Amino acid sequence: EIVLTQSPATLSLSPGERATLSCTASQSVSSNLAWYQQKPGQAPRLLIYDASKRATGIPARFSGSGSGTDFTLTISSLESEDFALYYCQQRSSGPPAYTFGQGTELEIK
Amino acid sequence: QVQLQQSGPGLVKPSQTLSLTCVISGDSVSSDRATWNWIRQSPSRGLEWLGRTYYRSKWENDYAASVKSRIIINPDTSKNHFSLQLNSVTPEDTAVYYCARGGVALAGAGLDYWGQGTLVTVSS
Repeated sequence: EIVLTQSPATLSLSPGERATLSCTASQSVSSNLAWYQQKPGQAPRLLIYDASKRATGIPARFSGSGSGTDFTLTISSLESEDFALYYCQQRSSGPPAYTFGQGTELEIK
Repeated sequence: QVQLQQSGPGLVKPSQTLSLTCVISGDSVSSDRATWNWIRQSPSRGLEWLGRTYYRSKWENDYAASVKSRIIINPDTSKNHFSLQLNSVTPEDTAVYYCARGGVALAGAGLDYWGQGTLVTVSS
């Protein structure tokens, strides 16, 4: 089973700053990686799929990059509504079809 | 617009069966381009994919190894929904359970629509 490790666990930044979140896979996942945002009491929301493609309705300040084992989610200029939990997720051909990282909490400094 | 609406009890006794339903609107459980998934989230286990059902000329299921002996996911084409049954539950199965759609081209490797979540507590 592929393990995803996210870093840092917590990121403290101010509105307007740039956020860089990392996700490392224990083996290559090619570009089969997605990023989600989750706020308290809500389901995860898909931000990025296939490592770098923005999902429908996602603002351009969110971008994803990487392939193989190392991936990055960048938020170019933080807005107040961006402070939340972020998860990466990979898809495999067989069970488990999806595995998730442990999350990065993006908090207001 | 796709919507997934979950229903089911929030409290289940140990050793009994957890049952949840996810009603689909705006898509079909019989779609040959989507998969229909159950995922749970707890502080101890994080986000954990449990299994999926999907139709590709015939119905298919995949289950996570951690629950494979206890889980059944069934589609119901007449009601356009899919269900989760998890047998012999213990307090470790306490979690928020989500249904979600996967496998569509516009979401690639991602899960693009999620249900609202159901907190299921296993307790006597």
